Amino acid sequence: EVQLVESGGGLIQPGGSLRLSCAASGFTVSSNYMSWVRQAPGKGLEWVSVIYSGGSTYYADSVKGRFTISRDNSKNTLYLQMNSLRAEDTAVYYCARDSCSGGSCWFDPWGQGTLVTVSS
Amino acid sequence: SYVLTQPPSVSVAPGKTARITCGGNNIGSKSVHWYQQKPGQAPVLVIYYDSDRPSGIPERFSGSNSGNTATLTISRVEAGDEADYYCQVWDSSSDQGVFGGGTKLTVL
Repeated sequence: EVQLVESGGGLIQPGGSLRLSCAASGFTVSSNYMSWVRQAPGKGLEWVSVIYSGGSTYYADSVKGRFTISRDNSKNTLYLQMNSLRAEDTAVYYCARDSCSGGSCWFDPWGQGTLVTVSS
Repeated sequence: SYVLTQPPSVSVAPGKTARITCGGNNIGSKSVHWYQQKPGQAPVLVIYYDSDRPSGIPERFSGSNSGNTATLTISRVEAGDEADYYCQVWDSSSDQGVFGGGTKLTVL
């Protein structure tokens, strides 16, 4: 069964750092495109970042320069390192496996999400 | 960046057909994907590549895409279909995902 389990969320002060993890089972992270998507409380979905199977990474403008996506092939785990956190980064963070065809990508499945709260 | 526009809410009676739109500049030239999200749960893919259904998604869910509007159609709506629905495209020019603002489907 394909499954994604996020961890690492919590309460962090503005300006702080946090690393989220997404443990995958049932497939190989390094052979797939993988994304992070977030959802602020009561708001819609916002795409955050993607890592391609070849290792290329891309980010939403709102997190570029502050967040870093990476993976550990030996642990079959995806990460999101978040630095210089702001109140507006408060959200549930989901990891998802990307499926792509014809230049378009979609997300399936998704993890259950982990809540990040940035507050003093 | 590319913008997707959805109506904030759609209401429909049980057994009727719900149509949720997703507007974007020449969206018909892109592939559109749709997600269902129930309260407290992660999103679930219900339509990909404009009109394809993942395994396990009822045939009542269908999609279309042309011109400046993509549409998710839910036939014979059930109470269990009440959820938020999001459209999504991939902006290949910037290698970024883009979501619509979401539509809350209410079953009357």
